[in-house]
Amino acid sequence: AQSVTQLDSHVSVSEGTPVLLRCNYSSSYSPSLFWYVQHPNKGLQLLLKYTSAATLVKGINGFEAEFKKSETSFHLTKPSAHMSDAAEYFCAAPAAGNKLTFGGGTRVLVKP
Amino acid sequence: DAMVIQNPRYQVTQFGKPVTLSCSQTLNHNVMYWYQQKSSQAPKLLFHYYDKDFNNEADTPDNFQSRRPNTSFCFLDIRSPGLGDAAMYLCATSRKGLYEQYFGPGTRLTVT
Repeated sequence: AQSVTQLDSHVSVSEGTPVLLRCNYSSSYSPSLFWYVQHPNKGLQLLLKYTSAATLVKGINGFEAEFKKSETSFHLTKPSAHMSDAAEYFCAAPAAGNKLTFGGGTRVLVKP
Repeated sequence: DAMVIQNPRYQVTQFGKPVTLSCSQTLNHNVMYWYQQKSSQAPKLLFHYYDKDFNNEADTPDNFQSRRPNTSFCFLDIRSPGLGDAAMYLCATSRKGLYEQYFGPGTRLTVT
């Protein structure tokens, strides 16, 4: 069975400091993994995706994630948080039938 | 720009009064999905169309129906909305065989 676990439901950082959002996965399907961001009252926007090429993936808005097969992890990082990064972040993994399994989400609060 | 469009962005309906939400896409993707998302939760898949083939999730209530008259359009019908159906409804698309999904902005449904 597929599962995605986001280890923190909330993360609070100060503007200008690094952000780390943790995701562990279990999936027997295609080695693809995704991070999405959702701002209030908006849809989900793809931040980045891993598709078995480079293990370090760069995405939009300065985010990057590293795929570690041995740890079944796909943690999302950004070196310096901006106020506009305050949002909900979802990690997702493939599931049967062209579907995605989502993690429970991590809400990021950025303090000035 | 190619995109997923949802109308309306905000919908208010009365308890028990049927409502239809619409989704259109200019991406020419084969697969279209409907999700329900409640506050501070991950999106929950209701059903999806793989081309014309309808795939219902096992726990989707009968109160929720869908139509896909052509590749570009997909509708979500809620036959008798209850207070518990108040949520954000998200439409997404993907290419057949690929897991990356593209989301619309969502429709926020309020039931009074």
